[in-house]
Amino acid sequence: GQNIDQPTEMTATEGAIVQINCTYQTSGFNGLFWYQQHAGEAPTFLSYNVLDGLEEKGRFSSFLSRSKGYSYLLLKELQMKDSASYLCAVRGTYSGAGSYQLTFGKGTKLSVIP
Amino acid sequence: DGGITQSPKYLFRKEGQNVTLSCEQNLNHDAMYWYRQDPGQGLRLIYYSQIVNDFQKGDIAEGYSVSREKKESFPLTVTSAQKNPTAFYLCASRPGQKRQGEQFFGPGTRLTVL
Repeated sequence: GQNIDQPTEMTATEGAIVQINCTYQTSGFNGLFWYQQHAGEAPTFLSYNVLDGLEEKGRFSSFLSRSKGYSYLLLKELQMKDSASYLCAVRGTYSGAGSYQLTFGKGTKLSVIP
Repeated sequence: DGGITQSPKYLFRKEGQNVTLSCEQNLNHDAMYWYRQDPGQGLRLIYYSQIVNDFQKGDIAEGYSVSREKKESFPLTVTSAQKNPTAFYLCASRPGQKRQGEQFFGPGTRLTVL
């Protein structure tokens, strides 16, 4: 089966750093994605990890530990516009014809306050 | 500009009616996906298609149907058999079968059944 857990809500202060955790138990693993989704809008891609370690991209970084089934998204120098939901998604087992399905967590709603 | 379009953005239908949601992409992507998003829930896969004239059921296909007659288009029909169709529907696409890229999402259609 597939199970992805992330906190439902988080609040952080403008200018601060926040870490959003994601733990997963999936049948097969071929990468982990983080997406940002503002209310009523489409998710937009933030980062991808397939090997253990930290991937840095500007103010956002993502970390993966495959042995622990754990990832986190780190947001630095928070801005008000970072208020959004952050979705963790795991790409699972190859199922033929180039298909790797994504299983999404329920998302973490981040509120950035002044 | 390349991208994914979904229309309409808001859709209302009477109970018992079928309705078709449009999804078009000009990214030359092979794979296309339909997800459903409910409040407090993650994205759940309805149907996906890896190539033209082929599609597969996702986790919650009951009450839905799709077609993939053209590479650019992947319409979703919500039938009267779908017990709880009110939701936010997201279409996504991904590059060709051998490329393990991220999924790109359209802006979504919010369907409300009256």
